[in-house]
Amino acid sequence: AQSVAQPEDQVNVAEGNPLTVKCTYSVSGNPYLFWYVQYPNRGLQFLLKYITGDNLVKGSYGFEAEFNKSQTSFHLKKPSALVSDSALYFCAVRSYRTGTASKLTFGTGTRLQVTL
Amino acid sequence: DTGVSQNPRHKITKRGQNVTFRCDPISEHNRLYWYRQTLGQGPEFLTYFQNEAQLEKSRLLSDRFSAERPKGSFSTLEIQRTEQGDSAMYLCASSLSRQGAYEQYFGPGTRLTVT
Repeated sequence: AQSVAQPEDQVNVAEGNPLTVKCTYSVSGNPYLFWYVQYPNRGLQFLLKYITGDNLVKGSYGFEAEFNKSQTSFHLKKPSALVSDSALYFCAVRSYRTGTASKLTFGTGTRLQVTL
Repeated sequence: DTGVSQNPRHKITKRGQNVTFRCDPISEHNRLYWYRQTLGQGPEFLTYFQNEAQLEKSRLLSDRFSAERPKGSFSTLEIQRTEQGDSAMYLCASSLSRQGAYEQYFGPGTRLTVT
């Protein structure tokens, strides 16, 4: 079975400061990892993914994430937060196996609050 | 707009009624997924199609739920004899089956309220 843990329900950060949203995962074999953002009354928007290769992946809106295989983590980061980054962030994992293992398993989400 | 679209966006129904939701995926995407999201939770997988074939169904999908994807294009999700516990946001997503293109693109969702 695959699972994702997002240990923080909410992260508060001041605008201009760096932000980190934590995610750890469990999956059989090599993981495919994703971050999504959800704004109120809207669907999930894809931010970035790790499939293979460099452990630091860059995505939309200046976000990046660092894959750490030994710690089974995939933390989301941004060097300088904006008030407009305030939203609900979800980490997701799927198995590398194709076919019936294509489903994503999501964490419970972390609410990011960026203040002036 | 070439994203995933879902209709209706909101549905209020009385317990015991049947409801049907529609999802139109991104046109070149051959994979289509349904998820359910309740308040304070992440989306939970319900079912998955590759073209018109339904390849996986979650244990969450009781006998009252059925999904179809005729001709491998749009999909419908029907809930029969709705219960209050079915109240949730129903999300549709689509993706390519091309190597490396594993991200799923989500629609805005259909919010179901069962009274």
